[in-house]
Parts: sequence; C-alpha cells; structure tokens
Amino acid sequence: DAMVIQNPRYQVTQFGKPVTLSCSQTLNHNVMYWYQQKSSQAPKLLFHYYDKDFNNEADTPDNFQSRRPNTSFCFLDIRSPGLGDTAMYLCATSRHDGKLFFGSGTQLSVL
Amino acid sequence: AQSVAQPEDQVNVAEGNPLTVKCTYSVSGNPYLFWYVQYPNRGLQFLLKYITGDNLVKGSYGFEAEFNKSQTSFHLKKPSALVSDSALYFCAADDQTGANNLFFGTGTRLTVIP
Repeated sequence: DAMVIQNPRYQVTQFGKPVTLSCSQTLNHNVMYWYQQKSSQAPKLLFHYYDKDFNNEADTPDNFQSRRPNTSFCFLDIRSPGLGDTAMYLCATSRHDGKLFFGSGTQLSVL
Repeated sequence: AQSVAQPEDQVNVAEGNPLTVKCTYSVSGNPYLFWYVQYPNRGLQFLLKYITGDNLVKGSYGFEAEFNKSQTSFHLKKPSALVSDSALYFCAADDQTGANNLFFGTGTRLTVIP
C-alpha cells in the first residue's frame, strides 16, 4: 500500500507556464519535504514543513513555492518553470527521526 | 561545510560475491547516518541507519553498514550480492541541529553481474 503518493507521475510543461505537483501521505507524519533530483545527482532539499511551520532552504529559488493545507497534503508550485527545472521532484515524510519515507516522484519536463 | 561523499560513481560485483559501497562524511557533532536505495523511476527507500551504539548496523534485504568514527566512514556491505540488488545507493547524514535536513551523497550505482 502506497504511503506517500505523488501525482502526477510524469508532468510536461512549457517554459514559463506555472505547474503544481502534489503529494499526499497516509502516515500522519508531521514533517513533509520536497526534494529536487536532477539526473545522476543527489536529491537536493528545497523546503520542508514541520507541521505548519514552513522552512525554506537558503538557495531555493523564489520561483518555487509550497503549500500544506493540512497534515496529509503538500503541494509544490513552480511559478515560471525554466529549462533548468527539468528534474525528478521527490516528496518525503518523517516523524522527525531522520528516517524518510519517499514517494515515487514526479518527473517534470520543461520544454 | 557539511557534506557526504561517495567516492565511487559505479561499483560492479559478481553475483554471490561480497559487496561494499563506500561513504565518508564531514558533519559536525554526532550525526545520524543513513543508507537509502533507489530503483529505476522510483523514490528513495530506507535501508538502515546509525544513531549510536554498536558500530555494525543491520538493515533491510541483508544489508549492513559499519560506522567508523576515526575514519568518518559509514560503508554499506552485503556478504553475498544478488542481481536484484542492482540499484542506486545514497548515503546521507543528519547533523541533528534540528533543521530536519539530510545531506545526501551523490550516489553510487551498484551493478551485480549474473
């Protein structure tokens, strides 16, 4: 049974056209993360929520925003995607013990 | 700067042979250390973690990892590799500053040859 679910699995968007990726969890974990993983690179943390507290990484572009309307859902909004934003976007959850549960990811292609 | 290094991009091993995937860390304090595995087109999957105590940690699918504080290493090992172990392996560290941030290495692609 999937515990961290990401939709869609694949997303294609045009340069500059806003896009939203979604993540839901059935684990009731209080921490949710968004990572960006480019080809053959390590996942890079964009931001995370500890409950409702939003924590943005210092080098996350302003183009990337996030919403967490409730415990179960978290969204990644890319306001004006550039070609360099083509990547796998991974959502993860944890109980704040470092053990992360990842979704299968959304592969975003910006054309 | 905090970092995790995986010096080998690729490791090849014959099925049935022991495998080692190397990891070293440069993280202040007493970090928690992790190994994750990623299969093609999937998210990362937790294998094992070290917090404190016994330097040899056992995890999922027969994997284990050895913590060595003096060498700041946390190498992943398995006594007998399976073809199904072929995947991308990531080492990660949590510096326990409360920032909830895992530092990931760049990954090592393990190929087990039948």
